[in-house]
Amino acid sequence: AQSVTQPDIHITVSEGASLELRCNYSYGATPYLFWYVQSPGQGLQLLLKYFSGDTLVQGIKGFEAEFKRSQSSFNLRKPSVHWSDAAEYFCAVVIWGKLQFGAGTQVVVTP
Amino acid sequence: DGGITQSPKYLFRKEGQNVTLSCEQNLNHDAMYWYRQDPGQGLRLIYYSQIVNDFQKGDIAEGYSVSREKKESFPLTVTSAQKNPTAFYLCASSTAGKEQYFGPGTRLTVT
Repeated sequence: AQSVTQPDIHITVSEGASLELRCNYSYGATPYLFWYVQSPGQGLQLLLKYFSGDTLVQGIKGFEAEFKRSQSSFNLRKPSVHWSDAAEYFCAVVIWGKLQFGAGTQVVVTP
Repeated sequence: DGGITQSPKYLFRKEGQNVTLSCEQNLNHDAMYWYRQDPGQGLRLIYYSQIVNDFQKGDIAEGYSVSREKKESFPLTVTSAQKNPTAFYLCASSTAGKEQYFGPGTRLTVT
């Protein structure tokens, strides 16, 4: 059973438009939650993290994410996308002490 | 400059040969990890180590081996027993229970 789900494999967005990437997880307790970004052929860079407290977290590069316990979700948002945001985005969740990754969402930015 | 280095960036080997991938960190992290990344499958954990001279199998350890003789270093050997070794390999490190930081990756091609 997949513990971390990113429903969108591929998203195309216009430069300047808003972006929302979805992430859902299966776990009984409140987990540690992360979003990472990966450019082609590169490692993963941490965008933001949630451990506890305020459910709206701010990250680098103008990204934010909101933890919704009732929906078991941790969606990533950016109000205005730049061409440099084209990359693959991974949601990751610590479940039973192990970091589990979603399959990733590829974001394409059009002019 | 603190970080994680992986070498080489690209590695080519003939089938039947063992190959060792290097991972070094100067972040003073106790825990280190090896992941394999294949298109459309996210990241899968191969091995991890939470302390020097100790390591545990991840989800896909068959055909791989590791050592952890120094805190800074966690080399991965891809053995000839690994049936499908061509992939992108990522090393990560963390302080216990905290977010993982990733190296730039090594792309291994076995023909």
